[in-house]
Amino acid sequence: EVQLVESGGGLVQPGGSLRLSCADSVFSFSTYTMNWVRQAPGKGLEWLSYINSGSSITYYADSVKGRFTISRDNAKNSLYLQMNSLRDEDTAVYYCARGSGRPEVWFDPWGQGTLVTVSS
Amino acid sequence: DIQMTQSPSSVSASVGDRVTITCRASQGIDTWLAWYQQKPGKAPKLLIYTASNLQNGVPPRFSGSGSGTDFTLTISSLQPEDFATYYCQQAKSFPRTFGQGTKVEIK
Repeated sequence: EVQLVESGGGLVQPGGSLRLSCADSVFSFSTYTMNWVRQAPGKGLEWLSYINSGSSITYYADSVKGRFTISRDNAKNSLYLQMNSLRDEDTAVYYCARGSGRPEVWFDPWGQGTLVTVSS
Repeated sequence: DIQMTQSPSSVSASVGDRVTITCRASQGIDTWLAWYQQKPGKAPKLLIYTASNLQNGVPPRFSGSGSGTDFTLTISSLQPEDFATYYCQQAKSFPRTFGQGTKVEIK
């Protein structure tokens, strides 16, 4: 069954902004931590950001700190990634992933990904 | 940041072969390590967590071992559906980091 669905990707010019969304179908979304991970074309996986269940704790990779903001709306079972000051090197498939395990340090499941292309 | 280094970067193997992939952490991470499988055009899938625990539904031909800085993923008898790229990930600290990946190809 489909659990995580990302949306909001597309083509954006360098310096532009984009907001990604991730809809989670799990009943207890509000109890889980969530993450964003990306994968540049032909490259490996890069963890970007983490948010705890109550939105009180967030972490970011240095590569996006100050430019990207993770947030969530538990009433809507949704996770977001606001991306500002986009650069060519931000071109990638962006995945949301739910925290798994106790503590929730693993990534499972993952969404299908949404492609962000930064180009003029 | 904790750096994760996988070896080899790619391996060619035949169906039925035993395949071992290594992941080394730049500092000790106890057993805070996971392995993921990714097939082309698909999202990664969690295979093993806490270094050696098999995720539900993962075939027992997959196994993981190690602690501290050195870890291995072993596929005991490679099946056609196992041809994919495998990544390790540390969960000892933030930022979470992945190995660069190991591509398992058909010989």
